[in-house]
Amino acid sequence: KAGVTQTPRYLIKTRGQQVTLSCSPISGHRSVSWYQQTPGQGLQFLFEYFSETQRNKGNFPGRFSGRQFSNSRSEMNVSTLELGDSALYLCASSLNPGRSYEQYFGPGTRLTVT
Amino acid sequence: KNQVEQSPQSLIILEGKNCTLQCNYTVSPFSNLRWYKQDTGRGPVSLTIMTFSENTKSNGRYTATLDADTKQSSLHITASQLSDSASYICVVSDQTGANNLFFGTGTRLTVIP
Repeated sequence: KAGVTQTPRYLIKTRGQQVTLSCSPISGHRSVSWYQQTPGQGLQFLFEYFSETQRNKGNFPGRFSGRQFSNSRSEMNVSTLELGDSALYLCASSLNPGRSYEQYFGPGTRLTVT
Repeated sequence: KNQVEQSPQSLIILEGKNCTLQCNYTVSPFSNLRWYKQDTGRGPVSLTIMTFSENTKSNGRYTATLDADTKQSSLHITASQLSDSASYICVVSDQTGANNLFFGTGTRLTVIP
């Protein structure tokens, strides 16, 4: 069974631009979560989607948004990029939402904002 | 405040040696604790997940322990290999309806020949 895939793997953008990252979960998984990882802060939760609905949201500004499609694929968008948005963005999928279900992470998208 | 703290921040050991990584948490009410291994440039991969009633869980050369009373967990790596070089992240989940996950900042392990 194929793992979680994320595209693109690497991205370079300039301040003020916007970016869209894509995540395809493991087949059959319906829950998708997004995380931002930086060297200083570690992993920080962005949001979680299930059945095309956002279930949880972390403490990030409104510039960060996401959505989930009917096939469970998910996208996240960051508008008006700032230098501090440079990070590894990880997507994780699970069979269903909830603390009991194992999360499987994708390889991440490395975003660099210049 | 719910927090997860890991120590040491980084560790260098010789190939073949054992090591123990620590995770202390203040998350309450506690639901489960997970250890992940993250290779450089890759996403985290789950090693173990433990609930309140579990004290020890093994995955090959990795053994995790949990003391829910003192809110401490450790990850013991036996007979280390070069491929064990990675960051190890402790993640604690609470029992609230939001299914919050609290992440430690990780321990960077380097195994040298």
